Amino acid sequence: ILNVEQSPQSLHVQEGDSTNFTCSFPSSNFYALHWYRWETAKSPEALFVMTLNGDEKKKGRISATLNTKEGYSYLYIKGSQPEDSATYLCACYRDNYGQNFVFGPGTRLSVLP
Amino acid sequence: DTGVSQDPRHKITKRGQNVTFRCDPISEHNRLYWYRQTLGQGPEFLTYFQNEAQLEKSRLLSDRFSAERPKGSFSTLEIQRTEQGDSAMYLCASSLLGRGSPLHFGNGTRLTVT
Repeated sequence: ILNVEQSPQSLHVQEGDSTNFTCSFPSSNFYALHWYRWETAKSPEALFVMTLNGDEKKKGRISATLNTKEGYSYLYIKGSQPEDSATYLCACYRDNYGQNFVFGPGTRLSVLP
Repeated sequence: DTGVSQDPRHKITKRGQNVTFRCDPISEHNRLYWYRQTLGQGPEFLTYFQNEAQLEKSRLLSDRFSAERPKGSFSTLEIQRTEQGDSAMYLCASSLLGRGSPLHFGNGTRLTVT
């Protein structure tokens, strides 16, 4: 069974602070890593899909990096805003290996104005 | 709106009753997934389909759970003889094939078993 872990479990930051979270996963048989944002009362929304070691993706103030050899990905938020408050989920994907997408428990971010 | 839709949004049932949920994926998506999410946890994989074929079912899933996708379009998830531990958010997602394809989620069905 594939275990995907995320840290921290929750985080409170002030508006304007920059922050980052970690997603760790077994490095063997890696295929892809996804990041999702899940706002309260909405459905999870894809942020990034990352497949190659060393990948760096950016969307506005949010960026992510991937290290498949050591089995981790970082998500960075620069200049946090209250609208960034959400649960951030990572999911590891291994095709034809069973449990197609396995999600981590998420990091709950609260940005205080 | 051509996103993933789930019905119902909320379901309250008594222990021992059967319930069925429906998911309508994005029409051109081959893959359809069911996940269950409880408070403080990430989505837990239940099963997934590629077109009409159910390719995997979680080993953690009780025999009381069954899912179908008869024509490769919408899917149903049935829970028989519900238990209080079945109370959770049931999420459906769909995607195209390929590791570069993200999941598109519905709003979920929240089940409460009393």
